[in-house]
This record gives sequence, structure tokens and C-alpha cells, in this order.
Amino acid sequence: SQKIEQNSEALNIQEGKTATLTCNYTNYSPAYLQWYRQDPGRGPVFLLLIRENEKEKRKERLKVTFDTTLKQSLFHITASQPADSATYLCAPNDYKLSFGAGTTVTVRA
Amino acid sequence: GAVVSQHPSRVICKSGTSVKIECRSLDFQATTMFWYRQFPKQSLMLMATSNEGSKATYEQGVEKDKFLINHASLTLSTLTVTSAHPEDSSFYICSARGGQLNYGYTFGSGTRLTVV
Repeated sequence: SQKIEQNSEALNIQEGKTATLTCNYTNYSPAYLQWYRQDPGRGPVFLLLIRENEKEKRKERLKVTFDTTLKQSLFHITASQPADSATYLCAPNDYKLSFGAGTTVTVRA
Repeated sequence: GAVVSQHPSRVICKSGTSVKIECRSLDFQATTMFWYRQFPKQSLMLMATSNEGSKATYEQGVEKDKFLINHASLTLSTLTVTSAHPEDSSFYICSARGGQLNYGYTFGSGTRLTVV
């Protein structure tokens, strides 16, 4: 069965540093991989989608990579700010989304 | 951008009663909507796919007679939790895709259900 793993439950970093989150998946080969942000008590918000033929994608201070050989995506938040504190979810598919457990990022001022 | 409105945001009900949650696409038509459940400190679990004009499809382990889904129009899907019990207390969220795949899925703000 499909399995999605995000590297750690929590990540605490200093403001201005880069946060790097990992998403690994097994037993399938998605054509797309999406990242979402979820704040407490709210629904997820779409951040980025990367296709299998794209190695890297950027949006403002966010960068996502997609390695279909390793079955892994890395999600980077550069120049992190306290407002980036949230839980980040990966979804390696494009329909009937299945999510990883998420990584909660806390950025200290 | 695409907006999905979900109501109510919070509901407390007595055990044995039924609760209806509404999910509306405000500025687009959604032939398909998805319903998720999220327990504290866990990820979202897909419960069912709601299809306009046809029966919903449920994920394995989700009781279709307990979680009734109706998608009667292109902008409205409802989830009714029937004969609710305390173990049904959870955060329920709907989603739909409002545009091209590049824009991902839009989620409602969620409904916190507490069954007492």
C-alpha cells in the first residue's frame, strides 16, 4: 500500500535560517507532488505543485525539489520568519489527495 | 482565487443525534468534492469522494450509512454524520479543485464536531 513519510514531527529554527522538510513515499509513482500549509484549526492551504519531469520549483522564499528515483521531495523555506510557523503537509498525487503526517515548523524570533 | 465555504465551523451535539456539514464552492463549479477527517495531531484522512449527481465513493473502512454525502448541485456538497457518537468527534474538512492543477486544491476552513 502507499506510504508517505515526512521526516520529523517538529522542526524548530531561528528566524532567518532555512528550514528543510523531507517527504518520502513508497509503493507508487506519482506524476505530481503538492505541498500545503495548515495552521491550527484551519484547512490546508495550497503552496506548490511540482511535476515528475521538474527537478525544482520556486515560489518566493519557498523551494521544492522532486527526485522520482529516490521517491523524495524536499521543501525549503529560506530566510524563515515567525509567520512561517505552521504544519506543512506533502501530498504525492494529484487526485484524492493522501497526505503525510506533516511537519510542524516553529520559527523563533 | 477559488473559495470553498464550510459551515458550521463548530458544532456540539448530543450522542445519537445527526449533524449536517455544508461545503460550498463560492466562485466555481465543483463536480467533485472530497471529505476528510482529522484527529488531533494526525494528518488528514480521506473519507469519501462526493460526485455531483451520483453516489459518493467511500474509502475503505468508512461507513457510508453513517456518513451520508449528498452532492445535489455543482456548488454544494453536504456530509451528515448520523447517530453521532463521541468517537465521531473530529475535525471534518472538505476540498475541491477550483481551477487548473497548478493551483492545487482549495480546502474549506473545517468543522470541529464534538459529540457529548
